[in-house]
Amino acid sequence: DIQMTQSPSSLSASVGDRVTITCRASQSINSYVNWYQQKPGKAPELLIYAASSLRSGVPSRFSGSGFGTDFTLTISTLQPEDFATYFCQQSYRTPLTFGGGTKVEIK
Amino acid sequence: QVQLVQSGAEVKKPGSSVKVSCKASGGTFSSQSISWVRQAPGQGLEWMGGIIPSFDTTNYAQRFQGRVSFTTDESSSTTYMELTSLRSEDSAVYYCAGGPPTWLQLCFENWGQGTLVTVSS
Repeated sequence: DIQMTQSPSSLSASVGDRVTITCRASQSINSYVNWYQQKPGKAPELLIYAASSLRSGVPSRFSGSGFGTDFTLTISTLQPEDFATYFCQQSYRTPLTFGGGTKVEIK
Repeated sequence: QVQLVQSGAEVKKPGSSVKVSCKASGGTFSSQSISWVRQAPGQGLEWMGGIIPSFDTTNYAQRFQGRVSFTTDESSSTTYMELTSLRSEDSAVYYCAGGPPTWLQLCFENWGQGTLVTVSS
C-alpha cells in the first residue's frame, strides 16, 4: 500500500497567517493527490484535486503543488472558517490511502 | 450536484453484521463511483473500497476483503455497504463518497453525512 505521511500533525496559527501543510508519498504518485478539509462532526470536503486544481467554489486562498512524492497545501491568508483538519489522499493506486491529517488550530 | 444521504446510526453486537445505505439524488447515479470511507473516533480516514454501478464492478481494500460487500439498487439510486463479523475496532463513522467512475485519479466530490456504527456487547 502507498503510505501518505502528513506533517505537521497539528499547528497553531493566527488569522491572516500563511499556512503550509506537506504530504509525502512512500513512492512516486505522479500528481495524483487530493486535499480535503474536515470540520468537527462533518464529512470531509474536497478542496484540491490532481495536486493543484482548485475545486469550483473553493476560495482562491487555497492552493496545492507538488509532483512525484512531495506535495503541499497552502492557505495564503488564514481565515476564521479555515480552522479545521486537512487530509491528503493519493489516487494513484488502490487501495486509496489518506494522510494522517493536520489539525489547524487558533493560536 | 449529487447529494448523498445515508441511513441512521446503528448499535451492533460483536460478531453480527451491519448494512448501511447511501441514497443519491440530484445527479446521474450510474455515472459515478461510490466509495466507502470510515473514520474511527479521533482518527484518520480509511478507504474500504467502492462500486461503479454502470460498470457493475467493485474494488475492495485487501484488509476488508471477505468481510465487506457493496451492492446497488439502481431503481432507487441507493448503494449499500454490508460489514460482517463485527468487532469493537469497527466502531466508526462510515461515509459514502461519490466521484467519477474510475478507481484511479479518483477524488471524492460528494460525501454522505456519515453513519455512526457502534459495536458493543
